[in-house]
Order: sequence, then structure tokens, then C-alpha cells
Amino acid sequence: DAGVTQSPTHLIKTRGQQVTLRCSPKSGHDTVSWYQQALGQGPQFIFQYYEEEERQRGNFPDRFSGHQFPNYSSELNVNALLLGDSALYLCASSLGGVGYNEQFFGPGTRLTVL
Amino acid sequence: GENVEQHPSTLSVQEGDSAVIKCTYSDSASNYFPWYKQELGKRPQLIIDIRSNVGEKKDQRIAVTLNKTAKHFSLHITETQPEDSAVYFCAAIQDSNYQLIWGAGTKLIIKP
Repeated sequence: DAGVTQSPTHLIKTRGQQVTLRCSPKSGHDTVSWYQQALGQGPQFIFQYYEEEERQRGNFPDRFSGHQFPNYSSELNVNALLLGDSALYLCASSLGGVGYNEQFFGPGTRLTVL
Repeated sequence: GENVEQHPSTLSVQEGDSAVIKCTYSDSASNYFPWYKQELGKRPQLIIDIRSNVGEKKDQRIAVTLNKTAKHFSLHITETQPEDSAVYFCAAIQDSNYQLIWGAGTKLIIKP
């Protein structure tokens, strides 16, 4: 049973470019959350997708957008990249429904913006 | 909204001694408090959690205590071992919410 997977592992982009990160949830999970983890800091919640819709959003600009597919996999898109977007992007999957359920994290995508 | 503060930012203890990491939260409605361990270059992994209807929970060498009145919770690791070296994060969330709020992390160093 595969856990949460993410691709790519590492990515280098330049300012102004756009990037798409991908996440496949743990088998049986239907909810995907995305986090940004800057170096030396705790993860910051970007948004959560459930039933192919954005269920909740953290304090991130509209440059950050996402999508969830019918197979529950998810993408995170970031437009007009800034140097400050350099971070580890983590996705976490969980079971949906009401209330909080334990989140299982993927290995992350390390994004570097030059 | 919720805010979680975590102290200390770095903790160095002798192997075999105990380590305590403390967190405070601001939203009295938060009712679930997980602790994550993140080793260098790896994903965060849940090590223990506690709900607001419980004051203490223990799992072998790891325990978490919660004081709802003071709005703080702590992680206790006894008989520390080299493999306990990592960054530890506390977090808080309400059941009616889906946004897990994290502390800034504590780097735990176990000295041989």
C-alpha cells in the first residue's frame, strides 16, 4: 500500500514563472491538504481539497491555486513566482467528512525560485 | 484566528535525560493537539496527539499533557536516545475547522 507520493522531488524556477506540483494521496484517502514549509519554520496551511472542491484556504494569495481530480489526486499551481515562494511544499492526505482526521504527509517538493 | 507558540526553539539534552517542549495556543475552541517529528530532509510524522477531553496521554517514552485553562500543552520525552534528535512541531485545530496551525518547531539535540 503506497503512502502519499509527490512529484517532482526538486524543482528550480525563475521569478515570474509558473509551477505545478502533484500529489497522490494514501490509498483510501479522499482529502488532500497542501502546506508551505519555509526553511526553519513550521508548515503553513495553503488549502484543503475534498470532493474536488477547495474546502478551506489559509492566508495565501490567489497566485496559489489547486485542483483535485476524481481519483483524489491533487495539483498545486503557483503563478508569477517570487523569491519568497522558495520552500518545501508538503501535501497531506486524510479521510474526509466532518471533523479533523489524522493527516499523512508526502515527502515534499523542494521548490527553489531564482 | 488560532496562533500557536512553541518553546524553546532549540533544546540540547544529554542522552538518557528527559526533554520537555512547550506550546501555547490562543483559540479556546481548539480541541485537538498533535505533535509531529520531522527528521532532516524527511516528512513530518505524527508521534502523539491529545484531545481536549483528556489531560494527559502517554505512549512508551513519550507523553503529552494539556492544560485547557491555561491553553498550553507540552511534549515530554524520557530516557532520550540519539534517534530522538529531530525537529518537533506542535499543532492545534478545532474539530469544526480543517486548518491545522503549527508551532515554529523545536530542534532537539541529543548529546552522547
